[in-house]
Amino acid sequence: AQSVTQLGSHVSVSEGALVLLRCNYSSSVPPYLFWYVQYPNQGLQLLLKYTTGATLVKGINGFEAEFKKSETSFHLTKPSAHMSDAAEYFCAVSSNFGNEKLTFGTGTRLTIIP
Amino acid sequence: EAQVTQNPRYLITVTGKKLTVTCSQNMNHEYMSWYRQDPGLGLRQIYYSMNVEVTDKGDVPEGYKVSRKEKRNFPLILESPSPNQTSLYFCASAYNGQSGQPQHFGDGTRLSIL
Repeated sequence: AQSVTQLGSHVSVSEGALVLLRCNYSSSVPPYLFWYVQYPNQGLQLLLKYTTGATLVKGINGFEAEFKKSETSFHLTKPSAHMSDAAEYFCAVSSNFGNEKLTFGTGTRLTIIP
Repeated sequence: EAQVTQNPRYLITVTGKKLTVTCSQNMNHEYMSWYRQDPGLGLRQIYYSMNVEVTDKGDVPEGYKVSRKEKRNFPLILESPSPNQTSLYFCASAYNGQSGQPQHFGDGTRLSIL
């Protein structure tokens, strides 16, 4: 079984400040990890993913995430928040079971304070 | 342009009136899936399809049907909708069913069952 926990359903940061969105996962096999972003009235867009190899993964729009196996974490960061980053962010995990099923966290709504 | 197209985008209907939400992708993807998104629960998988004529249940399949007669289409059918199926629905596709493939999402269908 696999699961994802996102700490903090709402996060507010000031424009220009560091963005940190937390994600912890549980998986019985080596996981594949994803961050998706959802803007209002839109579907989900892939921000970045970790499959194998380098544990620091860079994505679009200046976001990056680090896979830490010992902490079972995959936190999302961005050094300097921009107003356009306001959205809902979902962490997801899938495992090598042959079904590309994504198990999602409950999401974190990011608000940027001008 | 590569995309997943869902129709309708919004629908208000009444209990028991059969409805179909269509989903079409133009990327020749083998894998397609339906999710529902509810506040505080994230996205949960309803059904998925690994290829034409191959479908299987996800985590919350009760009250739903799907079919995959053509590679590009994966309709979601609610034979007798009930108010607890009021939700935001997303169709997604991926190149194949191997884990680690990024999924492409449609823009969502908001269903209200009265």
